[in-house]
Amino acid sequence: AQRVTQPEKLLSVFKGAPVELKCNYSYSGSPELFWYVQYSRQRLQLLLRHISRESIKGFTADLNKGETSFHLKKPFAQEEDSAMYYCALSGRNAGGTSYGKLTFGQGTILTVHP
Amino acid sequence: ETGVTQSPTHLIKTRGQQVTLRCSSQSGHNTVSWYQQALGQGPQFIFQYYREEENGRGNFPPRFSGLQFPNYSSELNVNALELDDSALYLCASSYPDRTDTQYFGPGTRLTVL
Repeated sequence: AQRVTQPEKLLSVFKGAPVELKCNYSYSGSPELFWYVQYSRQRLQLLLRHISRESIKGFTADLNKGETSFHLKKPFAQEEDSAMYYCALSGRNAGGTSYGKLTFGQGTILTVHP
Repeated sequence: ETGVTQSPTHLIKTRGQQVTLRCSSQSGHNTVSWYQQALGQGPQFIFQYYREEENGRGNFPPRFSGLQFPNYSSELNVNALELDDSALYLCASSYPDRTDTQYFGPGTRLTVL
């Protein structure tokens, strides 16, 4: 069984402060981890995935297989970062292709105050 | 390039009724997944369709069924509605062999009374 846990339902920071959204997972095989974001009145959209090792909008996330974590970080939060963030997991087949059947965490509402 | 669209935006049904929700995939996508999002929860995977065949199913009973059409549009059907079926239903589509990147629709809000 696969499971994603986001321990914080709400997270508040001030503009310019560092922010870290926590995500822990359990999965017996080779996982692919994602962060999805939903801004106010917009649809759910992919923010980043671990396999790309990229930085999007200043956010980064490193997969730590030892701690089974995939925390999302940004050194200097901006007001426009305020949104709902979901961590998600997908299994991969033997060839390394994602199944695309996502298991989501419960989400963290990030509020960045001016 | 048009995005994923869903209809209707919202609807209200009573317990025991049946409902059909529709999704139009983004152009070029041949894989569609459906998710249920209860209030305050993350989306839960219902099932995925690839080339008109079901390609995996989450922990949902058989009264949740789906169809995918040759033009890659899709339907989610729910029979014998229960109060707990009240939720936001999301569909997401992806390019062939790129199911790691899914594009979500705006969702259909279903209320069961």
